[in-house]
Amino acid sequence: DAGVIQSPRHEVTEMGQEVTLRCKPISGHNSLFWYRQTMMRGLELLIYFNNNVPIDDSGMPEDRFSAKMPNASFSTLKIQPSEPRDSAVYFCASSSGIASYNEQFFGPGTRLTVL
Amino acid sequence: KQEVTQIPAALSVPEGENLVLNCSFTDSAIYNLQWFRQDPGKGLTSLLLIQSSQREQTSGRLNASLDKSSGRSTLYIAASQPGDSATYLCAVPYGGATNKLIFGTGTLLAVQP
Repeated sequence: DAGVIQSPRHEVTEMGQEVTLRCKPISGHNSLFWYRQTMMRGLELLIYFNNNVPIDDSGMPEDRFSAKMPNASFSTLKIQPSEPRDSAVYFCASSSGIASYNEQFFGPGTRLTVL
Repeated sequence: KQEVTQIPAALSVPEGENLVLNCSFTDSAIYNLQWFRQDPGKGLTSLLLIQSSQREQTSGRLNASLDKSSGRSTLYIAASQPGDSATYLCAVPYGGATNKLIFGTGTLLAVQP
């Protein structure tokens, strides 16, 4: 199994540009999570999906952030327009369910730098 | 509101030493607790998951304990090696019976050869 796949691994963009991060969960997993990691705030959950449906997006910081999961094997996190304070590492994780006993498996992350 | 903290924030030890990392949480009504390892520039690797009904979990040189009543978990690493150098994070589910995770602040471990 290839694990959770994220692309790109690194993204450098200028303020105001649109940024799209991509995630492919582990095959067979029906739950997907987007996290953001910064030095100041650590790891924070942004949004999670179950069976392609967004369940909780209370962690999404602003309307500039949006996430979609059009099918079971693909999700995107979009920032439009991007700002320097969005610079962080964005992780995607998947699991076989959203029950508390379901272990999450993390991708390698996308390091985003907004200039 | 659940808060998870880890002490110390950073730790440097000589190779071969046994060490303990600490994780504290404010709300003891947790379903489980998970320990992760993060290497620089990499994602998170799950090390151990302890269910609330368990007291300990072991994997190789790693042993994690859980004391819900006191809101504490420890990760014991025996005979540390330079390859153990990484950031260690603990996490607990929050917001009901789901696996949304809230993470601790992390401990940066350096094992000196």
